[in-house]
Amino acid sequence: GENVEQHPSTLSVQEGDSAVIKCTYSDSASNYFPWYKQELGKGPQLIIDIRSNVGEKKDQRIAVTLNKTAKHFSLHITETQPEDSAVYFCAALLLGGAQKLVFGQGTRLTINP
Amino acid sequence: DAGVIQSPRHEVTEMGQEVTLRCKPISGHDYLFWYRQTMMRGLELLIYFNNNVPIDDSGMPEDRFSAKMPNASFSTLKIQPSEPRDSAVYFCASSLQGWTQYFGPGTRLLVL
Repeated sequence: GENVEQHPSTLSVQEGDSAVIKCTYSDSASNYFPWYKQELGKGPQLIIDIRSNVGEKKDQRIAVTLNKTAKHFSLHITETQPEDSAVYFCAALLLGGAQKLVFGQGTRLTINP
Repeated sequence: DAGVIQSPRHEVTEMGQEVTLRCKPISGHDYLFWYRQTMMRGLELLIYFNNNVPIDDSGMPEDRFSAKMPNASFSTLKIQPSEPRDSAVYFCASSLQGWTQYFGPGTRLLVL
């Protein structure tokens, strides 16, 4: 079926280092790819998104890259800080059949001080 | 600005009871989504509305689940009768003319 695969499931980095989370999707027609950050006990919060007409988007320490040919996209966090610790979800808008956002399984990111 | 509001934040009930979850979307948003989050299945879309009309309910698990949106500022998700396997966090999200969704804080449901 149509799905989104996310890796790794857990990631631990030293404060100040970079973190990279990768996702692949199956629907070649997908054209919208958001990333969400979920802190404990809270709802997912949109942190950045990218549309298929661009290959990269940056917002301060966060960047997302998209490779439509390979059907994968990645989240890059630079100069990580303790407050970046959370679960991160990627998603892809599936257009085949009924439109809907399909989420990856999540990555638990831990920033070690 | 007020975000998506959900109530209750926590609900504990016994199997067989009716459960009603409530959501107030961000003012002016025309899409409303209901999701369920579990460790095993992650975030699943249950149903979504556009301009108060249900568009896709293919994610609703079974007939025990129903959702309504009587007006642009209120939606309910009802489970009747509830079962232990319905225990999860239920999120409501809203968006304006598209798929950039803003999530509420969720309702943590425990069915005993």
